[in-house]
Amino acid sequence: ETGVTQTPRHLVMGMTNKKSLKCEQHLGHNAMYWYKQSAKKPLELMFVYSLEERVENNSVPSRFSPECPNSSHLFLHLHTLQPEDSALYLCASSQERRQIYGYTFGSGTRLTVV
Amino acid sequence: AQSVTQPDIHITVSEGASLELRCNYSYGATPYLFWYVQSPGQGLQLLLKYFSGDTLVQGIKGFEAEFKRSQSSFNLRKPSVHWSDAAEYFCAVGEDQAGTALIFGKGTTLSVSS
Repeated sequence: ETGVTQTPRHLVMGMTNKKSLKCEQHLGHNAMYWYKQSAKKPLELMFVYSLEERVENNSVPSRFSPECPNSSHLFLHLHTLQPEDSALYLCASSQERRQIYGYTFGSGTRLTVV
Repeated sequence: AQSVTQPDIHITVSEGASLELRCNYSYGATPYLFWYVQSPGQGLQLLLKYFSGDTLVQGIKGFEAEFKRSQSSFNLRKPSVHWSDAAEYFCAVGEDQAGTALIFGKGTTLSVSS
């Protein structure tokens, strides 16, 4: 148990579908992150939320839409994705948005777009 | 800008042999440095971290890493590798400033042969 729970673990969706990824942490952390992990590429930071406010969006296409309703939950809403969006999507949290604390990661959602 | 390089994409080590995974970083000041491990189908788990002080840091699972400022390196070591250590290892660099996120290397895949 890592303290950060992601659901679902696996997701297959068509390019016209709409789905959502969920991340939940009960560590009392104030910052949450979405990362994309593709084969042969470094982890790509997608979104950062601090105290439920989005503070960073690394030029992510609008077909990815994050939502942070409270400090314990983070969602990634997906619509009209492309096959190249197939990847492992990792959620992470940290005590604050400072690197000294490091991150706690979830197990990820393996997304396949068909 | 910060960057992290892990020169070795894939390393194979015999069980019981020693291990060293290389990590080089680019950063002007003293960075915060981390090593994470990722088992297949899992998220990233923090092995150890360096902020300041003693340049040799101990982590979980018998791992250690040494910060060498002159070489801009933070190599991960283990004296005797176990088959369960087979995984992907990521080095990451950060700084103690709000508004930044960890930068990850591309990872090194460790295989353990019997």
